[in-house]
Amino acid sequence: ETGVTQTPRHLVMGMTNKKSLKCEQHLGHNAMYWYKQSAKKPLELMFVYSLEERVENNSVPSRFSPECPNSSHLFLHLHTLQPEDSALYLCASSQTDRGREQFFGPGTRLTVL
Amino acid sequence: AQSVTQLDSQVPVFEEAPVELRCNYSSSVSVYLFWYVQYPNQGLQLLLKYLSGSTLVKGINGFEAEFNKSQTSFHLRKPSVHISDTAEYFCAVSAASGSRLTFGEGTQLTVNP
Repeated sequence: ETGVTQTPRHLVMGMTNKKSLKCEQHLGHNAMYWYKQSAKKPLELMFVYSLEERVENNSVPSRFSPECPNSSHLFLHLHTLQPEDSALYLCASSQTDRGREQFFGPGTRLTVL
Repeated sequence: AQSVTQLDSQVPVFEEAPVELRCNYSSSVSVYLFWYVQYPNQGLQLLLKYLSGSTLVKGINGFEAEFNKSQTSFHLRKPSVHISDTAEYFCAVSAASGSRLTFGEGTQLTVNP
């Protein structure tokens, strides 16, 4: 595998389910990000991890819980989501968390019923 | 803080026509500038970047962009587009001294036969 991978690519879940999104980067980067991309809305930065420490949390509801066990892996744990949480969730990584380009995964298309 | 404005939300063009996607930024410090492309149901892919040096930057797929400091612009151009260039294009900016990327709202380029 190369670059940034995300699994699953598609996920359908009910409002009472618990699921997790996984991201893995094979680029040797130190920073990882979760973004939410909804139809007709700008890209929303959700969380930033640098050297496995969370350095930014942009007022994201607690039903989204990130986890970064090491610099190559990032998870987004989901529970009791709402239909408005349906979106494309993108993971990205970069060499550091400031200044340089980010490399994106293909995204997970999440549908909450 | 930096901000970026993409002046057109949608740009329809015919195949083999030239295209320009406009991006203006706001910053009180030196910046890095980026263009990303997103094909349907995929992540963002870096097209090109300006960090320093020549103001004309060439990227992948025949795209180029010109950094104009006096006009605070970084417009993306291609002399002849193909159907396969149909995608959403995002301009992004960060402070050269170190800051996170700030993305524009995107421009949907549709190339018609």
